[in-house]
Amino acid sequence: AQSVAQPEDQVNVAEGNPLTVKCTYSVSGNPYLFWYVQYPNRGLQFLLKYITGDNLVKGSYGFEAEFNKSQTSFHLKKPSALVSDSALYFCAVRDIGKGYQLIWGAGTKLIIKP
Amino acid sequence: NAGVTQTPKFQVLKTGQSMTLQCAQDMNHEYMSWYRQDPGMGLRLIHYSVGAGITDQGEVPNGYNVSRSTTEDFPLRLLSAAPSQTSVYFCASSSYGKSSTDTQYFGPGTRLTVL
Repeated sequence: AQSVAQPEDQVNVAEGNPLTVKCTYSVSGNPYLFWYVQYPNRGLQFLLKYITGDNLVKGSYGFEAEFNKSQTSFHLKKPSALVSDSALYFCAVRDIGKGYQLIWGAGTKLIIKP
Repeated sequence: NAGVTQTPKFQVLKTGQSMTLQCAQDMNHEYMSWYRQDPGMGLRLIHYSVGAGITDQGEVPNGYNVSRSTTEDFPLRLLSAAPSQTSVYFCASSSYGKSSTDTQYFGPGTRLTVL
């Protein structure tokens, strides 16, 4: 069955330090992978996606993610965290051989401390 | 472009009442969907549509109806509200088909409380 796991409910990082938000997935075919961010009382906003090609994907607000097929992971990273990065982050996957719906992770709350 | 709009932003219902959550998009997207967001559970798909006149069930469709008479609008109807339907509801849209980028655009959400 298709699934997405975000193993950390919350990640705490000091401002200026690098951050990583983890995501692993399980699909039977080739995946399309996404990261979205949700600020308090707002809808989700698209950050970046992996469809094919280069395993390192760059997105909005200085975020990037690395696709690792052997580890079935798609971790979100940023070299230097900002307090304004504090938000809820969601990973999602689409199995391109199994329809159009996205499967969503439970979300990781990222807290950046000054 | 307004993107994806949702009304109302907040709603309180009593058990057994019915209501319709409105969703509209002005991006000419074929694909529209409704999700509910509950703490610790991510987003769960309620219903979706791949074009006008075509709808299908998602992961948690019970207690909800949808219709898609136009490309722009995708209302979600609660037939008889129950406390278990207390949640935040998001509408999303995206292009659809082989050339689709798959990026979903979300509305601001409707926070529903059922007493």
